[in-house]
Amino acid sequence: DADVTQTPRNRITKTGKRIMLECSQTKGHDRMYWYRQDPGLGLRLIYYSFDVKDINKGEISDGYSVSRQAQAKFSLSLESAIPNQTALYFCATSDRTGAQPQHFGDGTRLSIL
Amino acid sequence: AQSVTQPDIHITVSEGASLELRCNYSYGATPYLFWYVQSPGQGLQLLLKYFSGDTLVQGIKGFEAEFKRSQSSFNLRKPSVHWSDAAEYFCAVGNGGATNKLIFGTGTLLAVQP
Repeated sequence: DADVTQTPRNRITKTGKRIMLECSQTKGHDRMYWYRQDPGLGLRLIYYSFDVKDINKGEISDGYSVSRQAQAKFSLSLESAIPNQTALYFCATSDRTGAQPQHFGDGTRLSIL
Repeated sequence: AQSVTQPDIHITVSEGASLELRCNYSYGATPYLFWYVQSPGQGLQLLLKYFSGDTLVQGIKGFEAEFKRSQSSFNLRKPSVHWSDAAEYFCAVGNGGATNKLIFGTGTLLAVQP
């Protein structure tokens, strides 16, 4: 089983709909992150969390919200989806000790029509 | 502000040839540097990392990278490319410490010719 699991893997929806992307991890890591990937732009950080009581905005948080339901679960919501939120979304985790590398899920491909 | 530049958007090499992917960074302190690879339909897999010490670091799949502070570079190399190396490669710089946030480059797409 994957250490970092994202659901769904693919989603097509319409403008204005509410969408939730889910991420769960079995690595026991405290830190979790949400990124979006767009062609030619690399990965950009949306939100990150260090524990269930800690939520921080990344560089592109507008239009998104998150929930850290447990150490192992971190959800990303689009309250009212718009077409320019069409992208590939990644969840990542890392250990709390120093500058550890981040471990990524396989991504959710989201298309908003 | 931190930034990462990968000057080459797309590179094509022949199987068996050597490979060098360029990465330049801007960071005020000692950087934490990473190379990740993304195969189609997959997430990002860590190839190697540099935190301190020896400036030549070895990674998985036969890759290595060299940290050159004077050039603000962290180029990725492989002496002999295999067809399975075709993928997109991302360089990233981290601030370490409390936040451990990563700034990614825009990626280099590697194609391998038979």
